[in-house]
Amino acid sequence: EAGVAQSPRYKIIEKRQSVAFWCNPISGHATLYWYQQILGQGPKLLIQFQNNGVVDDSQLPKDRFSAERLKGVDSTLKIQPAKLEDSAVYLCATNKWTASYEQYFGPGTRLTVT
Amino acid sequence: QKEVEQNSGPLSVPEGAIASLNCTYSDRVSQSFFWYRQYSGKSPELIMSIYSNGDKEDGRFTAQLNKASQYVSLLIRDSQPSDSATYLCAVINSGYALNFGKGTSLLVTP
Repeated sequence: EAGVAQSPRYKIIEKRQSVAFWCNPISGHATLYWYQQILGQGPKLLIQFQNNGVVDDSQLPKDRFSAERLKGVDSTLKIQPAKLEDSAVYLCATNKWTASYEQYFGPGTRLTVT
Repeated sequence: QKEVEQNSGPLSVPEGAIASLNCTYSDRVSQSFFWYRQYSGKSPELIMSIYSNGDKEDGRFTAQLNKASQYVSLLIRDSQPSDSATYLCAVINSGYALNFGKGTSLLVTP
């Protein structure tokens, strides 16, 4: 079974530029999460999808971050415009259904904003 | 935001010793608890889950849960240098997403 795929793996941009990250979940996994992990901290939930609907986006900075999950499969997370404090690893995780607690993480995208 | 607290460490133990990692959580209604291991530059990997009070053993790992004290711990027996990593405690929130602590850095010295 293929794992969660993410791209790009690394991205360097200047502040005020825009960037997009992509996540492809494990086949059949209905729930998809985006987490932000700043160096030295644990991952923090940004947004949670169940199929193509948003379950929780309470911690997503909506003035600059947006996310979508078209057709309930792949997902993209966008930042526009980026700030220095957005430098972090962006992790995508999925599980089969909401009540299945085991989440499988992708390799992450390391974003550096200069 | 419900809190999950961990000592950031680093915790240094000699090879072959028992490493003890601790975590406290603030949401009294939490029911599901997890330990993830994260190597430097890698994504978190689930190593243990625990849902009931008491101990749960899996190989060299034992998770302990005390809901009355809102306390979760992870014991690693016969610690190996390959166990050197950051260990993240996580609690399921009401929406079934994970609420993570900051992690404890473990260093196992030969």
